[in-house]
Amino acid sequence: EPEVTQTPSHQVTQMGQEVILRCVPISNHLYFYWYRQILGQKVEFLVSFYNNEISEKSEIFDDQFSVERPDGSNFTLKIRSTKLEDSAMYFCASSDLTDNQPQHFGDGTRLSIL
Amino acid sequence: GENVEQHPSTLSVQEGDSAVIKCTYSDSASNYFPWYKQELGKGPQLIIDIRSNVGEKKDQRIAVTLNKTAKHFSLHITETQPEDSAVYFCAASSSWGKLQFGAGTQVVVTP
Repeated sequence: EPEVTQTPSHQVTQMGQEVILRCVPISNHLYFYWYRQILGQKVEFLVSFYNNEISEKSEIFDDQFSVERPDGSNFTLKIRSTKLEDSAMYFCASSDLTDNQPQHFGDGTRLSIL
Repeated sequence: GENVEQHPSTLSVQEGDSAVIKCTYSDSASNYFPWYKQELGKGPQLIIDIRSNVGEKKDQRIAVTLNKTAKHFSLHITETQPEDSAVYFCAASSSWGKLQFGAGTQVVVTP
């Protein structure tokens, strides 16, 4: 069964450094998402992306965050200047249609900011 | 915005018994309600979903019910097995696929 893959599985970064999290969505999917989960808290929506544009973003997704689909297979989340509170599990998801269509999640990248 | 509440936070059941997890949502525009299972070290895995034009859906030992008037939906697992032990999340969506998740329920099935 096709799956969403994320790399790396664990990223350790110094505060203030830039980090890029990578995702390969399911190949025929058109909609892409990033979510995060701080330890012990809810999974939170960050951003949705379609047709090379952001469709919707949450309040968390401020100017420090950006997303990109640099080629036909990868989908990336960049955090420009990391803060301690960015430490979390980051999940990528994809779906073939929006609006009532299943989102399939990757296994996540654990981001630890020191 | 949407707010999803989930109860209980932990649920311990004997193998073979049923487990029920309940969620409520606040946004009447929400029209899609998936349930995810998350095992340790893995991402959320979709196990069942329901759309607002349906009141109940079943897939083998798993069923979901939706009450739009009361704005709540529930997950039912029958004949629980040890491999059902995991964290279960409900979610609701009303626009652009943005999922709002509940806080999760840790289910422990004891032999």
